[in-house]
Amino acid sequence: EVQLLESGGDLVQPGGSLRLSCAASGFTFSSYAMTWVRQAPGKGLEWVSAISRSGGISGGPTYYADSVKGRFTLSRDNSKNTLYLQMNSLRAEDTAVYYCARGGGDLAFDLWGQGTMVTVSS
Amino acid sequence: EIVLTQSPATLSLSPGERATLSCRASQSVGSSLVWYQQKPGQPPRLLIYDASDRATGIPARFSGSGSGTDFTLTINSLEPEDFAVYYCQQRSKWPLTFGGGTKVEIK
Repeated sequence: EVQLLESGGDLVQPGGSLRLSCAASGFTFSSYAMTWVRQAPGKGLEWVSAISRSGGISGGPTYYADSVKGRFTLSRDNSKNTLYLQMNSLRAEDTAVYYCARGGGDLAFDLWGQGTMVTVSS
Repeated sequence: EIVLTQSPATLSLSPGERATLSCRASQSVGSSLVWYQQKPGQPPRLLIYDASDRATGIPARFSGSGSGTDFTLTINSLEPEDFAVYYCQQRSKWPLTFGGGTKVEIK
């Protein structure tokens, strides 16, 4: 089955860190750019970050929304079919459901995970 | 950053009626405009990509049109399952951006 499964959401204090994971299955993960989109409670969708097919430290571009630039780092491990979002210096306004989605600037987001909830509160 | 403005914020219609949703971009996005549908407690679902192409499995009553800065999503003859929130998104320039959404509710 083609799917994305997010994990790692939790309650964290302001200033804390969290790492989200997105496990892909049923398709060739390395052939797609990948993206994180978040949705604060009762609010609309906000694009967070995207990574190219070979993106991250090993090469290829990674993109960030201004609201998370310098605090979040997106990476992928194509050998494990997994996408990661390292979130540091978390703020209350980062509280949201975080969705992993297949696609990026070159493609629409045609596959979405069910989301993982991140709550930043003391 | 390209700002997408969706209107109206809420559309109150009855089943069987036609829904017309608008998305306006602050600068041209060409045809790189996407529409999603989201129901409560669910992730968004891709409806339309490249302004007018229906995604796999999307019924023909959904259609998209427009280019440049003005786009429209039309839902012909609303079905009960179509009442949801609809978002547009541009993939023309970084950062990618979404519109604020239009809620289609039952009148």
